[in-house]
Amino acid sequence: EAGVAQSPRYKIIEKRQSVAFWCNPISGHATLYWYQQILGQGPKLLIQFQNNGVVDDSQLPKDRFSAERLKGVDSTLKIQPAKLEDSAVYLCASSPGTSGASTDTQYFGPGTRLTVL
Amino acid sequence: GQQVMQIPQYQHVQEGEDFTTYCNSSTTLSNIQWYKQRPGGHPVFLIQLVKSGEVKKQKRLTFQFGEAKKNSSLHITATQTTDVGTYFCAGGKVSGYALNFGKGTSLLVTP
Repeated sequence: EAGVAQSPRYKIIEKRQSVAFWCNPISGHATLYWYQQILGQGPKLLIQFQNNGVVDDSQLPKDRFSAERLKGVDSTLKIQPAKLEDSAVYLCASSPGTSGASTDTQYFGPGTRLTVL
Repeated sequence: GQQVMQIPQYQHVQEGEDFTTYCNSSTTLSNIQWYKQRPGGHPVFLIQLVKSGEVKKQKRLTFQFGEAKKNSSLHITATQTTDVGTYFCAGGKVSGYALNFGKGTSLLVTP
């Protein structure tokens, strides 16, 4: 079974530029998550989708971050404009649960390492 | 909001020694999950605890969930070099969906 796919794996941009990340979850997984992991810290949830609807985006900086999951499968996360403090690994995860509950096991992708100069 | 604290932040042990990491929440949790992240890798699910006072074992790993469902621990017996990595606990809210991850405990095992 293929895992969660993410691209690109690495991205270097200058501050104030825009960037987009792509995620393809495990086939059949209804729930998709985007996390930000700053070096030395645990993953911080940015947004959680249940199919193509948003379940939780309370920690998403909506003035610069946006995410979508139009057909309930793939998802993109965009940052516009980027700031220095956005340098982090952006992890996508998916789970097979249909309720989006915290008890669902999450399967993480390899992440995209973003460096903002 | 809900915070999950983990201690210690780092632990360096000799191979064969035991290791324990602790996770504490300011509020009652519905469940707690543990993940392991190898250097340069991504978090991988280890186990989930749901019941008050629950204890689960996976070979040399023992996981506990406190009676008040506010704390948890992971104990590794006789560490091996393959145990190297960062161990995260993640707590689920009683009402809500999200998991809140702790900052993790980084374990280094030297032969």
